[in-house]
Amino acid sequence: EAGVAQSPRYKIIEKRQSVAFWCNPISGHATLYWYQQILGQGPKLLIQFQNNGVVDDSQLPKDRFSAERLKGVDSTLKIQPAKLEDSAVYLCASSSGRTYFGPGTRLTVT
Amino acid sequence: GQQVMQIPQYQHVQEGEDFTTYCNSSTTLSNIQWYKQRPGGHPVFLIQLVKSGEVKKQKRLTFQFGEAKKNSSLHITATQTTDVGTYFCAVANAGGTSYGKLTFGQGTILTVHP
Repeated sequence: EAGVAQSPRYKIIEKRQSVAFWCNPISGHATLYWYQQILGQGPKLLIQFQNNGVVDDSQLPKDRFSAERLKGVDSTLKIQPAKLEDSAVYLCASSSGRTYFGPGTRLTVT
Repeated sequence: GQQVMQIPQYQHVQEGEDFTTYCNSSTTLSNIQWYKQRPGGHPVFLIQLVKSGEVKKQKRLTFQFGEAKKNSSLHITATQTTDVGTYFCAVANAGGTSYGKLTFGQGTILTVHP
């Protein structure tokens, strides 16, 4: 069974630039999550999708972060403009009884 | 959401020694999950506990859920170098389609010296 796919694996940008991350969940998983993991901390939920609808985006900084899952499969998370404190690993996860995390995208904002 | 505190933050052991990490909450938890994250890796699901006083074992790993469902522990017997990583407890938002809507503890970083 293929796992959760994410790209890119690494990204370095300057502050105020924009960046986008892509996620492809495990086939058949209707629920998709984006988490932010700052170094030394546990992952923090940013947004939850059920199919192509947003279930919970209460912790998403909506002034700069946006996410979509237009066809209910792939998802994109965007940051615009990035700040230094956005440096983190962005983890995509999908679930069907248990949760599977992708390898993550490590973002460095300089 | 439900908050969990995890201790210790760090644990250094010699290979062969035992290791335990604890997860505590001031409120009753509906469930507790445990994840392992290898250095540079992503969290990998280990187990979920839902019943009061539940104990589950996976080879050298023993997971417990407290009788009051306010605490949980993960115990590793006779650690090996392959056990190195960060162990997280997490609480899943109960019900519906939110199995993966997790609130994580701070994690315990385990270092095993050969």
